Amino acid sequence: DAKTTQPNSMESNEEEPVHLPCNHSTISGTDYIHWYRQLPSQGPEYVIHGLTSNVNNRMASLAIAEDRKSSTLILHRATLRDAAVYYCILTPMDSNYQLIWGAGTKLIIKP
Amino acid sequence: NAGVTQTPKFRVLKTGQSMTLLCAQDMNHEYMYWYRQDPGMGLRLIHYSVGEGTTAKGEVPDGYNVSRLKKQNFLLGLESAAPSQTSVYFCASSYGFGNSPLHFGNGTRLTVT
Repeated sequence: DAKTTQPNSMESNEEEPVHLPCNHSTISGTDYIHWYRQLPSQGPEYVIHGLTSNVNNRMASLAIAEDRKSSTLILHRATLRDAAVYYCILTPMDSNYQLIWGAGTKLIIKP
Repeated sequence: NAGVTQTPKFRVLKTGQSMTLLCAQDMNHEYMYWYRQDPGMGLRLIHYSVGEGTTAKGEVPDGYNVSRLKKQNFLLGLESAAPSQTSVYFCASSYGFGNSPLHFGNGTRLTVT
């Protein structure tokens, strides 16, 4: 099973950049890397995804290591509304659509 | 756009009772999924569907049944609820798989006493 490893929690100051790491050493060539976040009492929300190249969107940036065994989600300027649990997951094409969700990283933003 | 809508938002059942959770999406997505989330854990896939009229088992299908009679709706049934099924249930949909993001509803919080 394609799995990811993330720190249990991280803290950051408001209005500073945040780098959330994810290790996925067993990634295969066709696996996409997806990031979601979940605010309290809500469903997960899509943040960003990529395959090999770095990706940017209005919410965040995704930096993917050259060997694809790790990636980093970058929030350029964290706000209190970014406090959430962030999940890094892989989408293996041969998994019968089963995504492996870990416990994620709880991001705490200090005002 | 409403996106993915789940009903009901909350429900309390007694052991042995049955119920159906409804998921509706208005994005014309082919793929739909039912997940459960227990406290402090990630999501686990119960059942999924890759198109109207199709369903398949996920990681934890026991005790649940599903139906996808219409493309926009995906129903999750509990025939005889058990306390172990106390959880938050999330429905999701996607256009495809792999290169397509999942869109989630806001969940149904189910308690079985």
